[in-house]
Amino acid sequence: DGGITQSPKYLFRKEGQNVTLSCEQNLNHDAMYWYRQDPGQGLRLIYYSQIVNDFQKGDIAEGYSVSREKKESFPLTVTSAQKNPTAFYLCASSIPRAEAFFGQGTRLTVV
Amino acid sequence: AQRVTQPEKLLSVFKGAPVELKCNYSYSGSPELFWYVQYSRQRLQLLLRHISRESIKGFTADLNKGETSFHLKKPFAQEEDSAMYYCALSGENAGNMLTFGGGTRLMVKP
Repeated sequence: DGGITQSPKYLFRKEGQNVTLSCEQNLNHDAMYWYRQDPGQGLRLIYYSQIVNDFQKGDIAEGYSVSREKKESFPLTVTSAQKNPTAFYLCASSIPRAEAFFGQGTRLTVV
Repeated sequence: AQRVTQPEKLLSVFKGAPVELKCNYSYSGSPELFWYVQYSRQRLQLLLRHISRESIKGFTADLNKGETSFHLKKPFAQEEDSAMYYCALSGENAGNMLTFGGGTRLMVKP
């Protein structure tokens, strides 16, 4: 079954903890993305990777970190420095300038 | 910097009425433009892209480079069109980064 998979679907984090959201794709896409989706604010880009071992900050990268050690995987770490981490997070992959495919999303809640 | 603006957060129409969801962009060069749709409890998915110049589910969008717009249109709205719609842009100038607008929620009333 080809596609892009995010896990977990729901995640709860205590104040001061780092958490890592998983994103895996088997579409052989070079480009991968992380977006944050908040009500009324659309999709805001957190990080973008065009190729393995390379990534660029998006509009709201502060408090987040990523790695791209394998083509298939692009995990996102939400650090304690992110002041307002409660949100819905979407991962996507694409061939550059072509259709992007999205995961089901991870809803992160700080408790 | 590239930017996508969707001026309407919410658009409410009656079934059978025409629909136009507005999208304006800022980009120096030749962008790729897309419309994505998110139905309730479903993944965000591509609706159409300007390069294909096709009609999907009765929707069309024309790229107007002079007005830097890529408005989405449908002549007769259906209740099943109710969803969140996002305009997006990708361009070589920013390393093919995919940038989205704020989204417009379309509600089609019976």
